[in-house]
Amino acid sequence: QKEVEQNSGPLSVPEGAIASLNCTYSDRGSQSFFWYRQYSGKSPELIMSIYSNGDKEDGRFTAQLNKASQYVSLLIRDSQPSDSATYLCAVTGANNLFFGTGTRLTVIP
Amino acid sequence: DTEVTQTPKHLVMGMTNKKSLKCEQHMGHRAMYWYKQKAKKPPELMFVYSYEKLSINESVPSRFSPECPNSSLLNLHLHALQPEDSALYLCASSQDLRSYNSPLHFGNGTRLTVT
Repeated sequence: QKEVEQNSGPLSVPEGAIASLNCTYSDRGSQSFFWYRQYSGKSPELIMSIYSNGDKEDGRFTAQLNKASQYVSLLIRDSQPSDSATYLCAVTGANNLFFGTGTRLTVIP
Repeated sequence: DTEVTQTPKHLVMGMTNKKSLKCEQHMGHRAMYWYKQKAKKPPELMFVYSYEKLSINESVPSRFSPECPNSSLLNLHLHALQPEDSALYLCASSQDLRSYNSPLHFGNGTRLTVT
């Protein structure tokens, strides 16, 4: 079982819609959870971090964490074509940070 | 603009060459990392340098060797690489390896092609 799992996609949503990206993890001891956005050929860019159960909102982005279900998600409201990218979920483990394989999001104008 | 600076942005090298990738962080962070990323794959950890201690992913071949001149610099020396080593090499830093809420901040990466 992989430490972090994501649907690889592609996930396509129309412009203005809500994009929902999901991630599950295996280590119940994980304490920190991050979402990175990566445009093709570029490096990952941190967009959200979350450490406690519940929702955390930052502009059009909302991260949701449920430690009991070992589940973390990212919602993107009012999706824009510029949001088209691969979104990487990352979860801390024992002295390491584990990345999921990423979900490719396409926002259709 | 990124506060983790990597040079060069692109590198093409032959299998007999020796080259170095350079990384400098301007954030006062105490941990620095090298990752390798192949197309459509997540970043894979190669090395971590923190508190003057180097941690190595044991799957990384010896043709890659890190060097840390000081806490702001982490270089990656390359020697006798293979074509399958062609990838995006990412340097990152974090505030503290031991702090659970310390995210990684990546540089812009070096696109390496081995011919």
